[in-house]
Amino acid sequence: ELKVEQNPLFLSMQEGKNYTIYCNYSTTSDRLYWYRQDPGKSLESLFVLLSNGAVKQEGRLMASLDTKARLSTLHITAAVHDLSATYFCAVDMSSSGTYKYIFGTGTRLKVLA
Amino acid sequence: NAGVTQTPKFQVLKTGQSMTLQCAQDMNHNSMYWYRQDPGMGLRLIYYSASEGTTDKGEVPNGYNVSRLNKREFSLRLESAAPSQTSVYFCASWDTGGVDEQFFGPGTRLTVL
Repeated sequence: ELKVEQNPLFLSMQEGKNYTIYCNYSTTSDRLYWYRQDPGKSLESLFVLLSNGAVKQEGRLMASLDTKARLSTLHITAAVHDLSATYFCAVDMSSSGTYKYIFGTGTRLKVLA
Repeated sequence: NAGVTQTPKFQVLKTGQSMTLQCAQDMNHNSMYWYRQDPGMGLRLIYYSASEGTTDKGEVPNGYNVSRLNKREFSLRLESAAPSQTSVYFCASWDTGGVDEQFFGPGTRLTVL
């Protein structure tokens, strides 16, 4: 069964601290995407990771992809309250011939002032 | 350039009623998707259309039908709504031959009483 697991599911952290969200997947894929969702809103794209070893950074967020380990990480540096949201990873299944994503379970992040 | 649009934004139905959710994209994407998101949960794929003229089932297709009307439009129909279909529905589109991610519409919040 195809699985995309994120951990932790919930994360409460102090402003200024660092933390990493993990996305593990059980199938072969060399493309992975990170999205952010604010309460009551749609999904907003954060990062597109298209190959093994890809690293992308935007502000206090940095994402990486290790296709051999089937693992992506989203690292938060010096968290601020505005980063409070739910973060989803999504695995691209195109390499297996089906043009769809499998979404992770989501990580609900709360940054405390 | 509106991206992905969905109508309606909100809808309340009684059990057994039918309705169609509309989705349109103006990015000339070949693939379109319908997801549902239940409270505190991730996204689950209902149906998708990898190209005009084709549709495929996702994880949770029971109780739904879809129509890919043309390249721009992809509708989702509930023939006989049930309370279990209370959810937020997101439409997305994707250029599967490119390097971009799926783009999401604003969502339709559906309540079935």
